[in-house]
Order: sequence, then C-alpha cells, then structure tokens
Amino acid sequence: QVQLVQSGPDVKKPGASVKVSCKASGYTFSRYDITWVRQAPGQRLEWMGWISTYSGNTNYAQKLQGRVTLTTDTSTSTAYMELTSLRSDDTAVYYCAVGFCGTGHCPLDFWGQGTLVTVSS
Amino acid sequence: EIVMTQSPATLSVSPGERVTLSCRASQSVASNLAWYQKKPGQAPRLLIYGASARATGFPARFSGSGSGTEFTLTISSLQSEDFAVYYCQQYNTWPQPFGQGTKVEIK
Repeated sequence: QVQLVQSGPDVKKPGASVKVSCKASGYTFSRYDITWVRQAPGQRLEWMGWISTYSGNTNYAQKLQGRVTLTTDTSTSTAYMELTSLRSDDTAVYYCAVGFCGTGHCPLDFWGQGTLVTVSS
Repeated sequence: EIVMTQSPATLSVSPGERVTLSCRASQSVASNLAWYQKKPGQAPRLLIYGASARATGFPARFSGSGSGTEFTLTISSLQSEDFAVYYCQQYNTWPQPFGQGTKVEIK
C-alpha cells in the first residue's frame, strides 16, 4: 500500500535551517510528483511547492521563494523539503503528499503523517 | 494568484442534518477542485476531486458539485465521524492554494 513516512519533529532556533524527509513506498516513486503543504497553528493549509520526481522541476509559493528548496533522491524514493532563515511563523506541521494523475496538476491522493517543526529561541 | 474563499467559517450541526459547504475561486479553475477532510492530529484526506468525484473510502453521503468559480460540498446526513474541518483546493494553475476551511462542529 502507498505510504509516505516523514522524519520526526524538530526544534530550531530563528535563523537556522530545517530539512524534512518524506520516504515513499508502495508505488513507483519517479512516476508521480510530490507536493509540500504546511499548517501553522490555527491556520489554513498552505501550499508550499511541488517537485517533479522525474525531472526535478519545481514550483514554489511566491512567499517562500528563496527560502525553500525541494529535492528528491530517486535511489531511496525520498523527497526532501529544506527551509532556511527560519522565523517563528514557520512553526507548523509540514506535510508531503503525492498525486497520482501524472501531471503537475493533481489532487493530493496520499499524505505523509506530518512533521512538526518548532522555531523558538 | 488565485484566491480560494470558503464559507461559512464554522457550521454547528446536529447528527443527521444535511450540510452544505461553499468554496469560491477568484478566477475559473474549471473542474480542478478538490475537497479534503482534516481531523485534529491527522493528515488531511482527499475527499472529492475533479469537483465531484468521490475519493476511495468515503461514503455516498458526501457529494461535490460546481465548476468554474463556485463549488459546493454536501453531506446528506451528518454522522459523528464527519465532524472535522473541510478544505477546498484548486489545482488548475500554480500556485495551488487552499481555502481557509470550514469547521463542522457538533451543535
């Protein structure tokens, strides 16, 4: 069965960086793209960006441009989200998700369990 | 950038009642609209895609409709397990934002 297993919770100081991993199983990783979404406490789901697991092409939310980097390692079927220059308002649960339509414009069929990132001095 | 707006923010409902949630896009997204169910401490679950197709695992009491800029999610007879926050998302163009959510709570 399809599974996306994310790395564990993390606590970072303001200005630091965080890298969250998302290991996929149960399907052919390089055929379907990964999207990252976050949810700050009490806030809506926020679309962060998308990566093609086949080509490595990416598309990022404008407000995160320059601070977020999405990558993949097809040899381990793992996607990564790195966020730099962390601020307190980056405190959120971060999710990876996969859509099975085969294009960059997919509903998000399966989600990882989420990773809590806390930014605090 | 397309803005997604949901209404109402909160619905207080009794089990067995019919519920209608609305989602509006600031410009046309065709039928590239999804609904997700989100419960506390859990990841979101895809509920509806293509504006009206029900995802695997959800019963027929859930239905979606609409196209272009106006969309509706209907729960025909609310069950206890349906109390959650529901989000719409457009995936027609990048970026692919979500609405602010509608919380369906017990009256």
